[in-house]
Amino acid sequence: DAGITQSPRHKVTETGTPVTLRCHQTENHRYMYWYRQDPGHGLRLIHYSYGVKDTDKGEVSDGYSVSRSKTEDFLLTLESATSSQTSVYFCAIGGEGNQPQHFGDGTRLSIL
Amino acid sequence: QKEVEQNSGPLSVPEGAIASLNCTYSDRGSQSFFWYRQYSGKSPELIMFIYSNGDKEDGRFTAQLNKASQYVSLLIRDSQPSDSATYLCALLRGYQKVTFGTGTKLQVIP
Repeated sequence: DAGITQSPRHKVTETGTPVTLRCHQTENHRYMYWYRQDPGHGLRLIHYSYGVKDTDKGEVSDGYSVSRSKTEDFLLTLESATSSQTSVYFCAIGGEGNQPQHFGDGTRLSIL
Repeated sequence: QKEVEQNSGPLSVPEGAIASLNCTYSDRGSQSFFWYRQYSGKSPELIMFIYSNGDKEDGRFTAQLNKASQYVSLLIRDSQPSDSATYLCALLRGYQKVTFGTGTKLQVIP
């Protein structure tokens, strides 16, 4: 999908463990985003990046950190996972100049 | 009031009929409007986007925007069973901030 790869696609882990999700793009987009999708809440922005080492918070950033050391890669880290972070996580790219964003295939994360 | 509101559905239409999906929004400063289709267990896929008041057509899909009334709609003509999915309305409210509705589930009955 639009040159976006998310890994892993599925992960089950335990409360309190660190988790890192990776988003890799081949489209050379400046902007990258991390969303979570939960029933009844729709897609909610966690963090986004507007360039290498440039990131900003979204509406549900508590408990999450991000890093972008290369244009191609945007990492989302849960420092100490909690059950409330069980969700489907989507990476998106694009959005420059009012253009639409395009999504990766998602990561289904379960925290037990 | 929610920033983006959609009827959760399901909206059931017979095959070949027109499906009408609606979305209202609260922020008059919203600039760009998007419709995504999401099949169960899959990622959102862009269907259409619209910036100006009026209609925009692409094949069987027509997006309609009315900024004065703060609504955007998506019409699907000649609905097919393969159109059965959840349709997400989204809008750009400010610098890189896209807000999504919770989606309307569409069921096309053969």
